[in-house]
Formats: sequence, C-alpha cells, structure tokens
Amino acid sequence: GAGVSQSPRYKVAKRGQDVALRCDPISGHVSLFWYQQALGQGPEFLTYFQNEAQLDKSGLPSDRFFAERPEGSVSTLKIQRTQQEDSAVYLCASSSKVRLRDATNEKLFFGSGTQLSVL
Amino acid sequence: QKEVEQDPGPLSVPEGAIVSLNCTYSNSAFQYFMWYRQYSRKGPELLMYTYSSGNKEDGRFTAQVDKSSKYISLFIRDSQPSDSATYLCAILLNQAGTALIFGKGTTLSVSS
Repeated sequence: GAGVSQSPRYKVAKRGQDVALRCDPISGHVSLFWYQQALGQGPEFLTYFQNEAQLDKSGLPSDRFFAERPEGSVSTLKIQRTQQEDSAVYLCASSSKVRLRDATNEKLFFGSGTQLSVL
Repeated sequence: QKEVEQDPGPLSVPEGAIVSLNCTYSNSAFQYFMWYRQYSRKGPELLMYTYSSGNKEDGRFTAQVDKSSKYISLFIRDSQPSDSATYLCAILLNQAGTALIFGKGTTLSVSS
C-alpha cells in the first residue's frame, strides 16, 4: 500500500488480557516508531527501530510493553496484562531516513493508529 | 515543567480568519521544530518544518520560531473549514534526531 497500515483499527480488551498491535510501514522505510496518544494529549514516543534493530526503547512505560521488528519491515507492539491506563491510540510511523533531521519533506509518515480500550 | 507546552483550546474562528497557534519549549538547545496537523481518527501529518530561528512560509501557512523567547508559532491565513483539525507542535529531542516530542495539540474549528 501507499501508506503506513495498522491493524486492528480498534481493539477492546479485558483488563489482564494480552494484546498485539501490528504495523506495516511503507515499503523500504528504514526507521519505524511507535507512539502512544492518550485522549486529549499529543503522541508520546515509545520506541524506535532502525531496520530490525531496536535502538531506543526509552519510552516504553513498563516491562509489560514489548516491541519487535524481526525482519526489518512489519512491527508488532505487544502489551501484556493490559491495564486501564493502557487505553490510548497507538500510532506507528515510518521514515526513509535514519535520522529525522536529515529528511527534507515528509519526515514521518503516520498510520491511523489502533485505538485500544481496556475495560 | 514539560518540554513542550501548548494550549489545547479549543479555538473556534469564522472562515477567512487569521489563526495563530503557539507553543513554548523549555530547552534552549532544541533546534528543529515542526507543526503537524491531525484530523479526527487519523495519524498526524507534517505541515511545516523549521530549523533554528526565523519564518518559513508555505501557501497559507507560516511557521515562526523565536529562540530567544523559546516560542514557536503557526499562522494560518484565510482559514477554511477544511483546516478544522488538531494542530500539534513538535521538537526533535535528541542529537540523533530520532525522537519527536509533541505538544498536547490545539483543536481548531473553522465555521463557514
């Protein structure tokens, strides 16, 4: 596809359940980011991949959050034992550049996100 | 103090009005500033990108950075109903330029 694709679009989970969120970045994009956007807030950085290497996971809020990108393309964000405070939109973004400041135009392409609701 | 502060609004204006959106930031070392637009149930999309101080214009949009005041602005001229969205300011956090820090976003509504 032409853009970043995320699935599922909506996910409802019971507290304590594990969830897996998928991101298909733009083909050939080196960099992949996950962001968490709570209601009424801006996106907050979770983690960054350069190809298959997870170079920055400083934004992951707890060890219940785990992300992978084993072949350097599709990425999965997994949340174990979900809690109500995990309810948010999870955004994936990709870039052809290794460093955002080296890009000239569309630096990050965002998907439409997965809206996670934990009951 | 948060690294980026932005008034969430909401802001309502009539069609054709000039809109001013603003953010302040805390770290004087920041050099890369961006404005993103986010429509409801969509991901953010880049509107403007500026490096260091000064103005940058693109059609009806002007981005302004005042590093002495640590203040960034986005001006929208001749606003249109299609401009109704949430506008997010963002800065590059680290030297590697791999992480964006976003403001809360300002929700704008332009009525026809």
